[in-house]
Amino acid sequence: DAKTTQPNSMESNEEEPVHLPCNHSTISGTDYIHWYRQLPSQGPEYVIHGLTSNVNNRMASLAIAEDRKSSTLILHRATLRDAAVYYCILRVQGAQKLVFGQGTRLTINP
Amino acid sequence: DTAVSQTPKYLVTQMGNDKSIKCEQNLGHDTMYWYKQDSKKFLKIMFSYNNKELIINETVPNRFSPKSPDKAHLNLHINSLELGDSAVYFCASSQRGGVETQYFGPGTRLLVL
Repeated sequence: DAKTTQPNSMESNEEEPVHLPCNHSTISGTDYIHWYRQLPSQGPEYVIHGLTSNVNNRMASLAIAEDRKSSTLILHRATLRDAAVYYCILRVQGAQKLVFGQGTRLTINP
Repeated sequence: DTAVSQTPKYLVTQMGNDKSIKCEQNLGHDTMYWYKQDSKKFLKIMFSYNNKELIINETVPNRFSPKSPDKAHLNLHINSLELGDSAVYFCASSQRGGVETQYFGPGTRLLVL
C-alpha cells in the first residue's frame, strides 16, 4: 500500500474553514484517496473519497492535486464536533483492508 | 438502529483467560473485519471475512480465532490472553468490491491484567 504523510496535529477555530493536507507522492493510478476520521472514544467513520476529480459531500470537500501526489480535505465551517483524528488512506479498487497511518489530530477552539 | 454493534463495550480480564468479543451488522454487507488499535493509537487490520470465508489474516497469533456463523456476524475469540492484547478492538463491515465504505463499530476496550 502506498504511503501517506500528514501533519501530526492541526488547530483551528470554530466556524472557520479547515484545510487538512495529505502527501502521497508514490500514489499509483489505481489508488483511490480515502479520508476517515475518528472522534474521541469512537470507531473510525468515512468522510469522503476520490480518484482524480475534486469531490464534495455533506461532510467535506476533497481537493486532489492535478498530479495526484497530494490532496486536501476541506471542512468548510468547523464545529467543535469536528475535533477528531483525520486519516488519509490510499486504497486500490477492490482492496479490502484500510491501512491507517498516524493521521492528523484536529483541535477546534471555541 | 445501530449499523455495526459490538459486545461487550468493556472487557477486563486476567492473563491466561479466554474471552470472546461479538460483532453484528445489520447493513446487509457481505464483508466483515476486525481491527486492533493499540495504546499508541495505531489502527491495524487483523482479519477480513467475506461470506463467512476468511480473506485476510494479517499474521495475527493463533490465539486469535475469528468465527463467522453467518454474513451478519463476526466474532473474535482470544485464547490465553496476554498483557499485550490490551487494546481497543473494532469490528467493521462493507460490501465487497469497488471502493465501498467501511462502517465501524464503537469498539471493545480490552484490558488484560
